[in-house]
Amino acid sequence: GAGVSQSPSNKVTEKGKDVELRCDPISGHTALYWYRQSLGQGLEFLIYFQGNSAPDKSGLPSDRFSAERTGGSVSTLTIQRTQQEDSAVYLCASSLWVTEPQHFGDGTRLSIL
Amino acid sequence: DQQVKQNSPSLSVQEGRISILNCDYTNSMFDYFLWYKKYPAEGPTFLISISSIKDKNEDGRFTVFLNKSAKHLSLHIVPSQPGDSAVYFCAARALYSGGGADGLTFGKGTHLIIQP
Repeated sequence: GAGVSQSPSNKVTEKGKDVELRCDPISGHTALYWYRQSLGQGLEFLIYFQGNSAPDKSGLPSDRFSAERTGGSVSTLTIQRTQQEDSAVYLCASSLWVTEPQHFGDGTRLSIL
Repeated sequence: DQQVKQNSPSLSVQEGRISILNCDYTNSMFDYFLWYKKYPAEGPTFLISISSIKDKNEDGRFTVFLNKSAKHLSLHIVPSQPGDSAVYFCAARALYSGGGADGLTFGKGTHLIIQP
């Protein structure tokens, strides 16, 4: 497809389980970003990739959160030992270069029971 | 602390009139600003941007104004149409000054409702 693709669109899991969220950016986009939106809040920046490297991990809320990007394309965001406060919509965005506007996917709605 | 603030959670405007959405920021390092529109269950869609070297940028029905001294920007939509009903997010970053993270800092959004 032409846009940013995220999977799964919805994920329900039990507290304490690990989850993996996937983002497929727009083809050719070098920059990739992860955000999350909790209920009633704005989007919160998590991590940014330029190519396969992550020069900015400042937004990751705890060491339970990690992300990687391989081949300069697909990225996965992993949350270990999930907690209820991790429940949110996780959004991925990509841009052609870091100076260009970011284009978002439709997100993964994560619910921790 | 909230570095980007959208003080109106909602705004109701009649179809055909002008919609004005406001945004204030506190971080003087921010030099690049964007507006996004979001429908329920969809990701934000980029609308328009402005860098701090300009005070106005126009794209069709959408115009963004930037007042650097007041640390204030606004999005004007004219004329407003029913399809404009959505949540609008203001976002900012320190793109050229390099003083901040490379992610965008978002406001909490304003829900725009266009009345027929």
